[in-house]
Amino acid sequence: GQNIDQPTEMTATEGAIVQINCTYQTSGFNGLFWYQQHAGEAPTFLSYNVLDGLEEKGRFSSFLSRSKGYSYLLLKELQMKDSASYLCAASTDSWGKLQFGAGTQVVVTP
Amino acid sequence: ETGVTQTPRHLVMGMTNKKSLKCEQHLGHNAMYWYKQSAKKPLELMFVYSLEERVENNSVPSRFSPECPNSSHLFLHLHTLQPEDSALYLCASSQEGRRNNEQFFGPGTRLTVL
Repeated sequence: GQNIDQPTEMTATEGAIVQINCTYQTSGFNGLFWYQQHAGEAPTFLSYNVLDGLEEKGRFSSFLSRSKGYSYLLLKELQMKDSASYLCAASTDSWGKLQFGAGTQVVVTP
Repeated sequence: ETGVTQTPRHLVMGMTNKKSLKCEQHLGHNAMYWYKQSAKKPLELMFVYSLEERVENNSVPSRFSPECPNSSHLFLHLHTLQPEDSALYLCASSQEGRRNNEQFFGPGTRLTVL
């Protein structure tokens, strides 16, 4: 079956680094997406990995290991506005069907 | 209007009511999606339309009926819903054929079934 696992909640202080892990088991795989969702708002795209390795985009980086079925999202220099739910999603076919994890709620404290 | 819009933003309905959710995308995309988001659960894909044809129906009960009259508009018709159908309903769109075919989400409709 299809399975996407990520921690339920993580807490970190302002200015710190947090790493959100995601493991996936899917029947097909065409890349791994990370989305950010603030409470009461739409999910917004953060990153996409299809090849193994690290993709850096400002304070946010995402890593993928296809052989291990593993990805992580790294948030650096945390800011209060980074408090949100972070959704890991595997693309399971060529035209965009996404399998989502339940999301990781990141709480940034002063 | 830009991006993906959804109306209404909030909806309260009784179990015998009939209502419709509307989604419009202003991005020129060729695929549209309906998702259900319940508290503490993963986003559940309900329906996918590609070039206005339904390509996915994820075992959704028949009390949910989608309609895609053109590539910019998507509706979700609701009738005789159950209280457990209360959730956030999200619409998304994407451009098929691209390698990174990220989905753009609307703000959602918060549905409460009494």
